[in-house]
Amino acid sequence: DAGVTQSPTHLIKTRGQQVTLRCSPKSGHDTVSWYQQALGQGPQFIFQYYEEEERQRGNFPDRFSGHQFPNYSSELNVNALLLGDSALYLCASLVQGGSNTEAFFGQGTRLTVV
Amino acid sequence: GEDVEQSLFLSVREGDSSVINCTYTDSSSTYLYWYKQEPGAGLQLLTYIFSNMDMKQDQRLTVLLNKKDKHLSLRIADTQTGDSAIYFCAESRGDDKIIFGKGTRLHILP
Repeated sequence: DAGVTQSPTHLIKTRGQQVTLRCSPKSGHDTVSWYQQALGQGPQFIFQYYEEEERQRGNFPDRFSGHQFPNYSSELNVNALLLGDSALYLCASLVQGGSNTEAFFGQGTRLTVV
Repeated sequence: GEDVEQSLFLSVREGDSSVINCTYTDSSSTYLYWYKQEPGAGLQLLTYIFSNMDMKQDQRLTVLLNKKDKHLSLRIADTQTGDSAIYFCAESRGDDKIIFGKGTRLHILP
């Protein structure tokens, strides 16, 4: 079991561009949460997907959107990139109805906006 | 509101105990967590405590929870160089979003 896998590991984009980050959950997990971790900060919750729908959302603008596929994998899309979007983006998977004690985090995608 | 506060730095001599403290504001939290993050790595769940518990011990780790004061601590006994990392205090309700603190960077002195 590969656990939670994220791709790519690193990415450099220009202001105004759009980016798509990908996450494959741990086998048996059906729920995916995305977090943004800016340098020197703790991770901040972006949103959570279950049954291909956004179940919860944190305090992030509409430029941040997501998608979940029937195989439970997920994408995070960010439009009109700003310099402040530079961060480590973490994906976590768990089983819906379970608890975060069973959540697993991926290694993250380091996004740099220049 | 939802807020988790913790000190940013801690230096400890190798072999001593490390104590990392945290306060949180959400009284409806059901789980309190300690995560470890090493350079270039993702988040590793070290331990957690359910909100109706006062203490949990797991090998070198001891978690103390004072629910009345909304204070959580992590004690690492016999601190080793491999314990050098950033430690995040966090809380959540069930499978809801996890609210993290800013992290405490633990530095081990020889």
